[in-house]
Order: sequence, then structure tokens, then C-alpha cells
Amino acid sequence: EPEVTQTPSHQVTQMGQEVILRCVPISNHLYFYWYRQILGQKVEFLVSFYNNEISEKSEIFDDQFSVERPDGSNFTLKIRSTKLEDSAMYFCASNRGDYNEQFFGPGTRLTVL
Amino acid sequence: AQKVTQAQTEISVVEKEDVTLDCVYETRDTTYYLFWYKQPPSGELVFLIRRNSFDEQNEISGRYSWNFQKSTSSFNFTITASQVVDSAVYFCALSENKAAGNKLTFGGGTRVLVKP
Repeated sequence: EPEVTQTPSHQVTQMGQEVILRCVPISNHLYFYWYRQILGQKVEFLVSFYNNEISEKSEIFDDQFSVERPDGSNFTLKIRSTKLEDSAMYFCASNRGDYNEQFFGPGTRLTVL
Repeated sequence: AQKVTQAQTEISVVEKEDVTLDCVYETRDTTYYLFWYKQPPSGELVFLIRRNSFDEQNEISGRYSWNFQKSTSSFNFTITASQVVDSAVYFCALSENKAAGNKLTFGGGTRVLVKP
């Protein structure tokens, strides 16, 4: 069964460093998303991406964040200069149409020291 | 703005008991979609069910059932005859009707602990 994959599973970085989180959505899906979950808290929407552009972003998704679909399969989230408060689990998701369920990847746990 | 509230933070039951999880939502849209996701201790988010706002028929799928009541903006979820493997955090989520890229707004989650 097709699934969303994410790499790495765990990333440790120093404050101020840039990180890139990678995702491979399900191949026939058209909409892509990033969410984050700070430990013990709820899942929060960051950004949605459709037709090679951002369709919506949250207040959390400031200038430090960017997304890209560099080829036909990968979908990346870049944080330019990480802060301690960026430590969280980051989930990538995809779906084949607006009103269908989103399928989530296993997440990347980001730890900023 | 859309909002999802799960008032129960944690529920503890003994195996084979039924568990009902409450979810109340707020939205200005007349067309929207409601979801339940499960997050087991391993951390992934697993899709369970989806319901759209114009279909209030309640259904049963295996040990899962849900009760959607538009009049009270509630979308409750029941696990029948719970098992230890049902121990997880359960999230209710809402998606509004927009042009593209409908984001999910999640509730705070309810941790379910099923004891043997």
C-alpha cells in the first residue's frame, strides 16, 4: 500500500543552523502539507502546497520557513535559522483531492540544542 | 475561524469496555469535513474515519462508530469492546471548504489507556 515517507526520522541541530526535512508524498496525490506537533501538544498546520505553489500558510510559517518540490517526488521543508522553540515532530501529509483524507508520514523529530 | 475542542484529555478503561470520545467543532462554513485520527505510542498519525457535513448518517465500521450531530456541532467517536492495542491519543480534526489545500484543524487530543 502506498505511503508517505519522511527522512530523517530524527534530526538534531544547533540553534541557528539550517535544516531541511524531506518527504516523499504518495505518488498520485496533488496536495501536500506540513504540520508540526510540539511534544505533548496538538498537531498544528504549517503550510499547504498545490500546483507548485503555497496555497495557505499559518502564522507559524514565517520567513524562516520555506517549502519546495524540487522534483516530481520530493517535498521539502526548510528552516533557515533554527530556534529552540522549533523543536517538535514535523509531519508531512498528502491527499489526492481537497476533500479527501490526508495521509501522514511517520514524522521527523527535530531537536534544536 | 475554525476550532475543534476535545474536552476529555485522558480516558482510562479496562479491556472490553466501550470508549466514547467527544468532539465539538466551530466553523462558519456550511460545507466541511470531519475526521478522526489515531496516534499510537509510536507517534505516527493514522487516519480512521471521514465524514462530510451534508451526511449526518451515523455508521459503524468494525469496532468503530461515530455520532455526527450538526445541531450540536458534535462528532463523537466510539470504540466498542476496547483492546489494549487501542491505547493511543485520538485526534478529531476539521477541514473547511476552500478552493485548494484544505488544512486540517486538530483538537487537543484525548489519550485513551486500555488496561488488560
